[in-house]
Amino acid sequence: QKEVEQNSGPLSVPEGAIASLNCTYSDRGSQSFFWYRQYSGKSPELIMSIYSNGDKEDGRFTAQLNKASQYVSLLIRDSQPSDSATYLCAGTIYNQGGKLIFGQGTELSVKP
Amino acid sequence: DTEVTQTPKHLVMGMTNKKSLKCEQHMGHRAMYWYKQKAKKPPELMFVYSYEKLSINESVPSRFSPECPNSSLLNLHLHALQPEDSALYLCASSQGFSNEQFFGPGTRLTVL
Repeated sequence: QKEVEQNSGPLSVPEGAIASLNCTYSDRGSQSFFWYRQYSGKSPELIMSIYSNGDKEDGRFTAQLNKASQYVSLLIRDSQPSDSATYLCAGTIYNQGGKLIFGQGTELSVKP
Repeated sequence: DTEVTQTPKHLVMGMTNKKSLKCEQHMGHRAMYWYKQKAKKPPELMFVYSYEKLSINESVPSRFSPECPNSSLLNLHLHALQPEDSALYLCASSQGFSNEQFFGPGTRLTVL
């Protein structure tokens, strides 16, 4: 089992809809979780970090963490074509010295 | 504006060349990282420096040689690379191991 798993997609949503991206992790000792957005040919850009159970909102983005179920999600409200990118879920793994482990990424396409 | 800078943006080199990639962070972070990213794959960790000391080396071939001159600079020296080493090389920094990592814009390396 991969340490961090994401649906590879691609995920296609119409403009204005809610995009839901999901991620699961295998190490219960994982501490911190991050969502990065990566446009084609560019470097990953941090968009959300979440450290404790519950929801965290920042503008159109909401990250959710459920440590009991070992999943992390990212909701993008009012999706825009400019949100079309690959979204990488990442977590720090306690028993690997805090090494950042990435999922395979989910490609999101927002259709006008 | 990114607070992690990388030079050069693009690099083409032959298999017998020696070149260096440079990274600088302006955030006062104590940990810096080198990643390699191939197309449609997540970043792969190569090296971690914490407090200017190499703390994690993911068994990277010796043709890649990192150097950390001070807490804000990180270099990656390249020698006798192979065409399969062509990739996007990313530098990142963080305050600590469990904190957010911020990526530079990357160096697109092509080995002929």
